Amino acid sequence: AQKITQTQPGMFVQEKEAVTLDCTYDTSDPSYGLFWYKQPSSGEMIFLIYQGSYDQQNATEGRYSLNFQKARKSANLVISASQLGDSAMYFCAMREGLQGAQKLVFGQGTRLTINP
Amino acid sequence: DSGVTQTPKHLITATGQRVTLRCSPRSGDLSVYWYQQSLDQGLQFLIQYYNGEERAKGNILERFSAQQFPDLHSELNLSSLELGDSALYFCASSSGQGLYEQYFGPGTRLTVT
Repeated sequence: AQKITQTQPGMFVQEKEAVTLDCTYDTSDPSYGLFWYKQPSSGEMIFLIYQGSYDQQNATEGRYSLNFQKARKSANLVISASQLGDSAMYFCAMREGLQGAQKLVFGQGTRLTINP
Repeated sequence: DSGVTQTPKHLITATGQRVTLRCSPRSGDLSVYWYQQSLDQGLQFLIQYYNGEERAKGNILERFSAQQFPDLHSELNLSSLELGDSALYFCASSSGQGLYEQYFGPGTRLTVT
């Protein structure tokens, strides 16, 4: 079963607009973490933001915020005031449990293109 | 710069050959993870080491093996290479075993011809 679902293969947004990248997840473990990574065309994976399942508030990091809706099992990434440099692939990922394997399970990604 | 280093950056080799990919984690990080990114499979977890011990295995082929050395650097060995092994191989590290962020290295792009 797909654990992480990103339903938007591609998105096109005008520069300076806000953009929301969707992510839904599936887990029965009460302890989990949700991550967003950015992969520019150069290939590296850049960590953006993290949300723990027990965190009371939505995570924010500069222009990035995570809209965490636990009941809906969604963890959407919001980028405010988009910039040309935000054009990249964006991956949502989840890690389950506090013990055992700490692997990240990734979604298929969303390719974001910012138009000038 | 994540602080995780990987060498080499690019590797081109022939089918049937063996290669070794190297990773140095961020200073102080005890956990090392290997991931494979291919067009058809996406990003897949291969294996995790924590302080020198194997902790978890994912979709890692028997032709692949890894180890983490006392200085915490890690190597991923790929043998009897096939065309389908062509991919971007990432190493990531984190500070512990809990729900910590994983920081990725720049990756090694392997091309098997």
